[in-house]
Amino acid sequence: DTAVSQTPKYLVTQMGNDKSIKCEQNLGHDTMYWYKQDSKKFLKIMFSYNNKELIINETVPNRFSPKSPDKAHLNLHINSLELGDSAVYFCASSQDVQGAYNEQFFGPGTRLTVL
Amino acid sequence: GENVEQHPSTLSVQEGDSAVIKCTYSDSASNYFPWYKQELGKGPQLIIDIRSNVGEKKDQRIAVTLNKTAKHFSLHITETQPEDSAVYFCAANRNSGGSNYKLTFGKGTLLTVNP
Repeated sequence: DTAVSQTPKYLVTQMGNDKSIKCEQNLGHDTMYWYKQDSKKFLKIMFSYNNKELIINETVPNRFSPKSPDKAHLNLHINSLELGDSAVYFCASSQDVQGAYNEQFFGPGTRLTVL
Repeated sequence: GENVEQHPSTLSVQEGDSAVIKCTYSDSASNYFPWYKQELGKGPQLIIDIRSNVGEKKDQRIAVTLNKTAKHFSLHITETQPEDSAVYFCAANRNSGGSNYKLTFGKGTLLTVNP
């Protein structure tokens, strides 16, 4: 009974392509996040959505566009992929972003390799 | 913004020994400090957390201490076991605007417990 799921788990693509990663949570949470983990394991937040509304948008290139069709789903679309986009992308959710003490639940990650 | 420093980056211990990971944070407004464990090929998972009004918290073999004055917090794992081998991340949560909060992660510590 997966709490936060992501598809695909692995994504290998050519530079310049456009790709999407999907995320779904069945925890009934209001807030969802996208994180990027680089090859050195550094985990950095990219976006946060609260009840389908964009709350946090870090300095991410506008080639990255998150979309939240409902509060259980947060997808990440990446245009014109570059070599530097290669990383593991994690989706996460929490009860809400307005609570200071909310645990974040992470998905299993999507390993994106741009050739 | 918040800056979280984590040390050491790698730690190798013998089974049964203790392991200590230390973190410092820069923003005195941060008020929640979770620790996440990331096993190989999986997403991070919360193992313990501490709020700014508490100095120490323990859960079986793991404990966390917080020194607000010095702005540092530590994770202690006693009687380490091979299954404790993973990457551990500290994080600090602070208000990112309005009533929204954002987690900033340290760069992680790769803990290896040798049998």
